[in-house]
Amino acid sequence: EADIYQTPRYLVIGTGKKITLECSQTMGHDKMYWYQQDPGMELHLIHYSYGVNSTEKGDLSSESTVSRIRTEHFPLTLESARPSHTSQYLCASSEYWGSDTQYFGPGTRLTVL
Amino acid sequence: SQQGEEDPQALSIQEGENATMNCSYKTSINNLQWYRQNSGRGLVHLILIRSNEREKHSGRLRVTLDTSKKSSSLLITASRAADTASYFCATDQTGANSKLTFGKGITLSVRP
Repeated sequence: EADIYQTPRYLVIGTGKKITLECSQTMGHDKMYWYQQDPGMELHLIHYSYGVNSTEKGDLSSESTVSRIRTEHFPLTLESARPSHTSQYLCASSEYWGSDTQYFGPGTRLTVL
Repeated sequence: SQQGEEDPQALSIQEGENATMNCSYKTSINNLQWYRQNSGRGLVHLILIRSNEREKHSGRLRVTLDTSKKSSSLLITASRAADTASYFCATDQTGANSKLTFGKGITLSVRP
């Protein structure tokens, strides 16, 4: 099992709420990623980070934001959740950029009512 | 359009049988990886094969890569019920800032 953790595992909230999905890893990896995955579908990269103070938008446009103040921590925030944000969010990290093996957390399943 | 596309979309076999899953891609790659995802969980890395490699083994897994056909196959031998999961191929395209692009996945069911 990879040493990468996500909380909460499940979250059901009402429209308009601000939420933060937590992701932390203890492997000392510089590279971290957030993916969005709908049931039975492919993963879409929404954010990534090369290291501390680095954040980049991924291939899929997302209204969420991320921050990287510490190497081990890469939280994702939604300022005002909407039903269209309902999805599974997966956090991952890797030692080297991109083509390297990525280690995934267990995911957060978000439902916005 | 999708870079990596797996085939078939779903596969159901009996325990002990072999499972073969295929992945096709469109552009040149640096490497191709296979991941497994159990229901409701994150992905687990299975194997990575580089563009200059043709075949790779890891336990009951065998991966082949044919860059001329832009395709890869994952073979799981002597399948077990615990192999039931979704399997994804992920490609690292050359010149695409080396981000991994995942396919839609193959749902494998292994009947006891």
